[in-house]
Amino acid sequence: GENVEQHPSTLSVQEGDSAVIKCTYSDSASNYFPWYKQELGKGPQLIIDIRSNVGEKKDQRIAVTLNKTAKHFSLHITETQPEDSAVYFCAASSSNSGNTPLVFGKGTRLSVIA
Amino acid sequence: EPEVTQTPSHQVTQMGQEVILRCVPISNHLYFYWYRQILGQKVEFLVSFYNNEISEKSEIFDDQFSVERPDGSNFTLKIRSTKLEDSAMYFCASSLAGHRAGYTFGSGTRLTVV
Repeated sequence: GENVEQHPSTLSVQEGDSAVIKCTYSDSASNYFPWYKQELGKGPQLIIDIRSNVGEKKDQRIAVTLNKTAKHFSLHITETQPEDSAVYFCAASSSNSGNTPLVFGKGTRLSVIA
Repeated sequence: EPEVTQTPSHQVTQMGQEVILRCVPISNHLYFYWYRQILGQKVEFLVSFYNNEISEKSEIFDDQFSVERPDGSNFTLKIRSTKLEDSAMYFCASSLAGHRAGYTFGSGTRLTVV
């Protein structure tokens, strides 16, 4: 089955700097890669996702890149703000069926220092 | 914005007791999921539910677990005889069209088995 590895487990950046979180996956059939942000006491919230037919997607300060050959994808947050502090999870799945489960990474705790 | 609602937010139970975790998915969603997160670990898939039946389940979802959508609005997870290792945060999620539309997670129920 799919295995998703995520690095780093913790990341501290100064406000205004960029943050990069990297994930690798094992199943070449995976074609859907969402990123979730989990704030304290809340459930994971989808912040951006990418499908295997594109290599990059951007939404304001957040971007995700995908390298299918190397089986890795990354989350980039630019101009970080204190409210970006949270745990970020990457996930992977085959999206051929709505029932195919997401396989999550272990999460990255991002701290943005003001 | 529509939300997935989970109750209770925290449940403490004695080992061996039955617990029912409740979820109200977003009303027009068709796919329903339970995930769990043991403290400090990754989010793990338990079960997906579509068209009033289980679509997929993980190895974790053994015969101690069951799900039900009793009245068209609630989606419940029952653990028949809880073990200490069932202590975790349990997240319900729903989706209109699986990965094509993304998941919405609830805020979770923290289950503590003592």
